[in-house]
Amino acid sequence: EAQVTQNPRYLITVTGKKLTVTCSQNMNHEYMSWYRQDPGLGLRQIYYSMNVEVTDKGDVPEGYKVSRKEKRNFPLILESPSPNQTSLYFCASSSQGINYGYTFGSGTRLTVV
Amino acid sequence: QQPVQSPQAVILREGEDAVINCSSSKALYSVHWYRQKHGEAPVFLMILLKGGEQKGHEKISASFNEKKQQSSLYLTASQLSYSGTYFCGAPDNTNAGKSTFGDGTTLTVKP
Repeated sequence: EAQVTQNPRYLITVTGKKLTVTCSQNMNHEYMSWYRQDPGLGLRQIYYSMNVEVTDKGDVPEGYKVSRKEKRNFPLILESPSPNQTSLYFCASSSQGINYGYTFGSGTRLTVV
Repeated sequence: QQPVQSPQAVILREGEDAVINCSSSKALYSVHWYRQKHGEAPVFLMILLKGGEQKGHEKISASFNEKKQQSSLYLTASQLSYSGTYFCGAPDNTNAGKSTFGDGTTLTVKP
């Protein structure tokens, strides 16, 4: 089944403790992206990648890192999480170009205390 | 700049119609529409590529006027299953990997 897999689904952590949210897609998509979703603010893009080793900042990249060493994987790293990073995170992927929509993962609800 | 959606929320009875609008301050080459049910991930509905083009998905259709930088989503004869939050998304014209989304329109269909 074609899908984007995120792990974990839920995560509670403490301020400053490094964490990684994994994202993997099995559709051979070139584009991958991370979004955070907060009430009243919609989906805001954190980082995106247009191919292996090609990543760039979205609208809200502060406090996050990403890497794209393989086409299928696009992990999101929070080096020193803070409470304002408490949010619902989605990974998404699409085929190359603007003619294709995104397939989203099931989301990771992160709470930083 | 995020696209702007209106209205923010709509409440309908089954069988009624609704229109959700999406407008941008920047030139648009394409517009995507997604639906997100509570507690789930957004699901891609359709993409509009050309000015004035209409597309359909079940009884949901959309139009895109690139000159006005606007898109509208039309839901006809609403069903209970149409409830959810609808988002429009707009890829950047010069950088397709960069996409912004509107802040969503919550549609509630009641029996």
